[in-house]
Amino acid sequence: DTGVSQDPRHKITKRGQNVTFRCDPISEHNRLYWYRQTLGQGPEFLTYFQNEAQLEKSRLLSDRFSAERPKGSFSTLEIQRTEQGDSAMYLCASSLGIYQETQYFGPGTRLLVL
Amino acid sequence: KQEVTQIPAALSVPEGENLVLNCSFTDSAIYNLQWFRQDPGKGLTSLLLIQSSQREQTSGRLNASLDKSSGRSTLYIAASQPGDSATYLCAVLSGANSKLTFGKGITLSVRP
Repeated sequence: DTGVSQDPRHKITKRGQNVTFRCDPISEHNRLYWYRQTLGQGPEFLTYFQNEAQLEKSRLLSDRFSAERPKGSFSTLEIQRTEQGDSAMYLCASSLGIYQETQYFGPGTRLLVL
Repeated sequence: KQEVTQIPAALSVPEGENLVLNCSFTDSAIYNLQWFRQDPGKGLTSLLLIQSSQREQTSGRLNASLDKSSGRSTLYIAASQPGDSATYLCAVLSGANSKLTFGKGITLSVRP
């Protein structure tokens, strides 16, 4: 399968713990996006990478959140000191890096903070 | 700031009915508009993408139209089937970093 993959698919953690999610984009894609989706809502933009450079971060991304994309390949999203409000589906998408093209989404990581 | 609205939030129709899902957006300076399908607890599946220069796109029983000047798009589903039951999300690509802005989605239920 050459699509976008995410790991883990599900994560249950206790409040205050740190969690890290991984996204592997389609191999030739330069752009990588993270979105967050809460129940009953559409996905909301969190952050975006062009190769290894993080070019934009949403105000939704508090100081407890950090994302990296070393070497412009896979990306990780870490949440420190998780809160119950962090419970959501975290979606990763990638695209070639040219305007007007499709973003391809991974299956998402569902996080539940107890 | 771009905002995308989808109304109603939920829709229930009998099998076989043709239906239209509506999407509106506030800023017409978009690169493209995309319709997605999402099954419960799953990720997003892209259905149709309409470039800003296009008026419509078709795939099988699905047809999506775009009126960029009025900030509207419709997704037409012909001869609906129970397997079409899902949440349908509209998203527009805009801004310097080409991020997607999504609506909240329309949850469709097709009754056998």
